[in-house]
Amino acid sequence: QAGLTQPPSVSKGLRQAATLTCTGNSDNIGNQGAAWLQQHQGHPPKLLSYRNDNRPSGISERFSASRSGNTASLTITGLQPEDEADYYCSAWDSSLDVWVFGGGTKLTVL
Amino acid sequence: EVQLVESGGGLVQPGGSLKLSCAASGFTLSGSAMHWVRQASGKGLEWVGRIRSKADNHPALYAASVKGRFTISRDDSKNTAYLQMNSLKTEDTAIYYCAGVSDGFDVFNIWGQGTMVTVSS
Repeated sequence: QAGLTQPPSVSKGLRQAATLTCTGNSDNIGNQGAAWLQQHQGHPPKLLSYRNDNRPSGISERFSASRSGNTASLTITGLQPEDEADYYCSAWDSSLDVWVFGGGTKLTVL
Repeated sequence: EVQLVESGGGLVQPGGSLKLSCAASGFTLSGSAMHWVRQASGKGLEWVGRIRSKADNHPALYAASVKGRFTISRDDSKNTAYLQMNSLKTEDTAIYYCAGVSDGFDVFNIWGQGTMVTVSS
């Protein structure tokens, strides 16, 4: 079944900003919005944002999410070494009646 | 502390069965949807399926890759969700996470640590 499209890797410098993208279609991101999760090696995923731009309590304001059409974005400002992780987007697909994930983006902080 | 703890993983032969459990603490399962998500070694996340609360009378939903082989259930009296896996294939080998949706959220915001399932002869 169709998933969401994310770039495999992004590299940015310490204290810089990184924007990660996630492309879907009108049945998932375009209709339902997207959620973003962070996963450090050897750990379970952690929810960073939901309904496009809502942050759970405890998530740093350095993480902000948005959506434009069928593409969702996660911007991380003031990059820190601990931001180095895999980032996944996810959305409900109303046509397929399934949740779909992107393939994940590995963020490297130089 | 809100916590989900998976158990039941292990080594099983192709064609075999396994039942995973997901026990919740500090979090009431009864009013919440529960998902199962898996991750093969070195790969991304793959949604397996979801069961809604009993009050929300919708059938469980499954990914095409497991439909007809896997069944999600819940026992609210034990605050536990389950994933029954039958006719297992080598490609089902993965870490299996349960993930809950608590009040005010519409997506999995509580994750367990995962349990490893290896399907091999």
